[in-house]
Amino acid sequence: SAVISQKPSRDICQRGTSLTIQCQVDSQVTMMFWYRQQPGQSLTLIATANQGSEATYESGFVIDKFPISRPNLTFSTLTVSNMSPEDSSIYLCSVVLITGELFFGEGSRLTVL
Amino acid sequence: QKEVEQNSGPLSVPEGAIASLNCTYSDRGSQSFFWYRQYSGKSPELIMSIYSNGDKEDGRFTAQLNKASQYVSLLIRDSQPSDSATYLCAVTAYSGAGSYQLTFGKGTKLSVIP
Repeated sequence: SAVISQKPSRDICQRGTSLTIQCQVDSQVTMMFWYRQQPGQSLTLIATANQGSEATYESGFVIDKFPISRPNLTFSTLTVSNMSPEDSSIYLCSVVLITGELFFGEGSRLTVL
Repeated sequence: QKEVEQNSGPLSVPEGAIASLNCTYSDRGSQSFFWYRQYSGKSPELIMSIYSNGDKEDGRFTAQLNKASQYVSLLIRDSQPSDSATYLCAVTAYSGAGSYQLTFGKGTKLSVIP
């Protein structure tokens, strides 16, 4: 498995502000993804974080709202921009190891007031 | 559209019984199959991986895969109250140029009654 450090673990933010979530992995991984999980709902893939290039976003998610960086193989950030209460959710970093197995970070619980 | 279907539950079993969780998938090209356990308020935790037809056992957990029927299941023997969680089935397919696609089911909520 891999040790995935995600921070902050939780935050309470004001409407209209932005928050950047960091994800650090202790080993080299083949792929990194960002998911969102709203209360009582299933996982929703936001985007694939591509090393050194623009992320690949899923339908319904755009770069202006969720800019993602991945400067190297083991680190990525997700920013939630111009937040609204609808953005309140758990945001999960996930990584794929060379085995093809996907592991999740502990998640960042975001509350927007 | 690749789909992974699970019964949402809740599935209730008495302590000590066998819990059986089922999952079907639509893409015949799927290659890897995973079960995750997610406790309320926590992130999903990988508990089983299976890649070929048949059974794979790990402690009280057994994963079963039948590619012909496009069916994967998870059996939990001697169920404990601590097994109460939502179980997510996930299926991967690789599609050229190293592309990796992982599709999750919506999860089955398991409740083990003491």
